[in-house]
Amino acid sequence: DAGVTQSPTHLIKTRGQQVTLRCSPKSGHDTVSWYQQALGQGPQFIFQYYEEEERQRGNFPDRFSGHQFPNYSSELNVNALLLGDSALYLCASSLVSRTHHAEAFFGQGTRLTVV
Amino acid sequence: GQQVMQIPQYQHVQEGEDFTTYCNSSTTLSNIQWYKQRPGGHPVFLIQLVKSGEVKKQKRLTFQFGEAKKNSSLHITATQTTDVGTYFCAGPFSGNTGKLIFGQGTTLQVKP
Repeated sequence: DAGVTQSPTHLIKTRGQQVTLRCSPKSGHDTVSWYQQALGQGPQFIFQYYEEEERQRGNFPDRFSGHQFPNYSSELNVNALLLGDSALYLCASSLVSRTHHAEAFFGQGTRLTVV
Repeated sequence: GQQVMQIPQYQHVQEGEDFTTYCNSSTTLSNIQWYKQRPGGHPVFLIQLVKSGEVKKQKRLTFQFGEAKKNSSLHITATQTTDVGTYFCAGPFSGNTGKLIFGQGTTLQVKP
């Protein structure tokens, strides 16, 4: 049973460029959340996708956008990259119901460096 | 806004000593989750506490959820070098939508 997989594992981009990160959720999971983790900090919620729609969003600018596909996989897009966007980007999948807050299963992350 | 705070930020212990990290939320939580992140790794789910005053044990790890459901603790008895990593508590944002608010974590170093 494959866990959460993310690609690529590492990426170096130049300021102003655009980047797309990809995530395949754990088998059977229908919800994908994206987090940004700066060095020495806890993960910060970016947004969550369920049924191909953005369901919740954290305090991130519109430069951060995403998509979920019918097979539940997801993409995170960041436009006009800034140096401050350098971080570990984590994808977490879960199975969220109305009565139970399920734990999040994290992928290994994509380390993005903006130079 | 809703915040989750952890102390201490860092803890260095001798192997065999005990370790405790504390987590406090600015709001009452429906549940609290704990994650461990090894150096260079990703957060891995440890446990979820739901009930007021709940205590759960996993071998040498003891997790507690406060009576007011605003604080929690993780206690490790007789630390081992395999316990090295950063321990995060996380509480759900309002509703059961899956958004988690993480504390800044406590990084544990264990000297053999």
